[in-house]
Amino acid sequence: DTGVSQDPRHKITKRGQNVTFRCDPISEHNRLYWYRQTLGQGPEFLTYFQNEAQLEKSRLLSDRFSAERPKGSFSTLEIQRTEQGDSAMYLCASTGPTSSYNEQFFGPGTRLTVL
Amino acid sequence: AQRVTQPEKLLSVFKGAPVELKCNYSYSGSPELFWYVQYSRQRLQLLLRHISRESIKGFTADLNKGETSFHLKKPFAQEEDSAMYYCALWGDSNYQLIWGAGTKLIIKP
Repeated sequence: DTGVSQDPRHKITKRGQNVTFRCDPISEHNRLYWYRQTLGQGPEFLTYFQNEAQLEKSRLLSDRFSAERPKGSFSTLEIQRTEQGDSAMYLCASTGPTSSYNEQFFGPGTRLTVL
Repeated sequence: AQRVTQPEKLLSVFKGAPVELKCNYSYSGSPELFWYVQYSRQRLQLLLRHISRESIKGFTADLNKGETSFHLKKPFAQEEDSAMYYCALWGDSNYQLIWGAGTKLIIKP
């Protein structure tokens, strides 16, 4: 296990298309977070899972966004009907239970460009 | 409202000079504060947390509750310190880190 992985690393899509990103957390971690990061900003919380349960969603997460974590392992983030404003870096992080939940281990991110 | 402010988007210092990256927070309780770092082409990673009161890679940060600050300091900057630095607050929710906008640190040779 070499850490949190994300796939794809880059995605270019046309406005109106659907995209799906995958995150594979560190295997023993029970919490998984999704963040969005735009240029010049820190990560913005989108949602998080504890095991397979999605416990919280940000108001940033419109109804075009959906996230799942079946079986409490990998997670997917889907964006439907993409808009140019969705262009950003999407980060995944995992943590816990043996480490503090505020020590989060990040993946490399998926950079989304919506044309 | 819980908020983290990093007033400098960019900080450029010469190698060997002291470095101070500013972080101010807004929080009514007892905060837990962190510095995360992202080196070029690497992923975001934890640098240090105030609870540990440790020095990592020569960096220290002291929580000043009176000034609501958690500035990151290093007495002698090295070129490998060049990176993006983010200050983050673990607040009331017990699930969410609240992030500053980040400071890009450039160490000039």
